[in-house]
Amino acid sequence: DGGITQSPKYLFRKEGQNVTLSCEQNLNHDAMYWYRQDPGQGLRLIYYSQIVNDFQKGDIAEGYSVSREKKESFPLTVTSAQKNPTAFYLCASSTSGSDLGGSNEQYFGPGTRLTVT
Amino acid sequence: AQSVTQLDSHVSVSEGTPVLLRCNYSSSYSPSLFWYVQHPNKGLQLLLKYTSAATLVKGINGFEAEFKKSETSFHLTKPSAHMSDAAEYFCVVSRGNNRLAFGKGNQVVVIP
Repeated sequence: DGGITQSPKYLFRKEGQNVTLSCEQNLNHDAMYWYRQDPGQGLRLIYYSQIVNDFQKGDIAEGYSVSREKKESFPLTVTSAQKNPTAFYLCASSTSGSDLGGSNEQYFGPGTRLTVT
Repeated sequence: AQSVTQLDSHVSVSEGTPVLLRCNYSSSYSPSLFWYVQHPNKGLQLLLKYTSAATLVKGINGFEAEFKKSETSFHLTKPSAHMSDAAEYFCVVSRGNNRLAFGKGNQVVVIP
């Protein structure tokens, strides 16, 4: 079955600790994304990667870091510098090469709910 | 900047009655538009997408949406609501470089 897996589903951490969220895809997609979802806020883009070994900051990158060493994997680290880390985190992937202004649809994983106390 | 506006953050419909979720977009170029659905504590699933072909787009589970450039709208409809339609719905517009901009969502409650 092709798809995106995120682990774990629920994650609990103490304030001041870094934590890494896993995202793996077997769709052979070039592009991968991380979003943060808070109630009533929609999804906000944290980081995205169009190709292996390259990534760009999204709209709310402060306090987060990523790596893209393999096409299939795009882990997100929530650092202690992130002021409000408690949220639902969603990973997505898509094919690349869309027209200017257009976008290909993104496929989403099931999400990781992070709680920091 | 590309953005979408979804009014009515919470929508209640009776089972068997029509569903209408409104979406207005802002884009400086010809956009791609999407509707996604999210069930509680799950990822997002694509309902339908518009990419400058037909203006009336049919999606999964009986949903459809009509692209109206003159009104900058992309409203989502379904003729008859089912209990399984209770979920959150997001209108989404492309923002270039393969990125998307999400609306704040419509939480749909279906009353039996």
